[in-house]
Amino acid sequence: KAGVTQTPRYLIKTRGQQVTLSCSPISGHRSVSWYQQTPGQGLQFLFEYFSETQRNKGNFPGRFSGRQFSNSRSEMNVSTLELGDSALYLCASSLTSGRGNEQFFGPGTRLTVL
Amino acid sequence: KNEVEQSPQNLTAQEGEFITINCSYSVGISALHWLQQHPGGGIVSLFMLSSGKKKHGRLIATINIQEKHSSLHITASHPRDSAVYICAVSRTGNQFYFGTGTSLTVIP
Repeated sequence: KAGVTQTPRYLIKTRGQQVTLSCSPISGHRSVSWYQQTPGQGLQFLFEYFSETQRNKGNFPGRFSGRQFSNSRSEMNVSTLELGDSALYLCASSLTSGRGNEQFFGPGTRLTVL
Repeated sequence: KNEVEQSPQNLTAQEGEFITINCSYSVGISALHWLQQHPGGGIVSLFMLSSGKKKHGRLIATINIQEKHSSLHITASHPRDSAVYICAVSRTGNQFYFGTGTSLTVIP
């Protein structure tokens, strides 16, 4: 069974631009969560999607948004990029959105904002 | 104050040593997760615990729900165990709260 895939793996943007990252979950998994990892803040939860609905949202500004499609693939969008948005963005999939599910992580997209 | 605290932040061990990483949390949880992250970023889920103890090969994870504490043990450590180990807790849904990680280096 293929693992979680993320595209692109690396991305360089400039301040003010917007970016869209993509995540394809493991086949059969319906929940996709997104995380940001920076040296200063560590890993932080962005949001979770399940059955095309946002289930939970972390403490990030509205510039960060996402969506999930009927095939469970998910996209994350960041508008008006800031230097501080430079980070590794990870997505993780799990079977459901219930309590305490094991999550399977993708390799991440490393975003650099210049 | 972080919901999840890990110690130590950095750990260097000689090959073969017994290693313990600790995690304390301050919120009610549905499960506690131990994750491993190698250089380059990929994260692997090692354990998911809601009570008791689990063992996979040389790795053992325990949790004490009353004391809100978990430990990850590595027996007979090996250089390939060198990685960052992250404790995370899940509450509602799949929202994880993460510890800051323990960077482990095992020297041959």
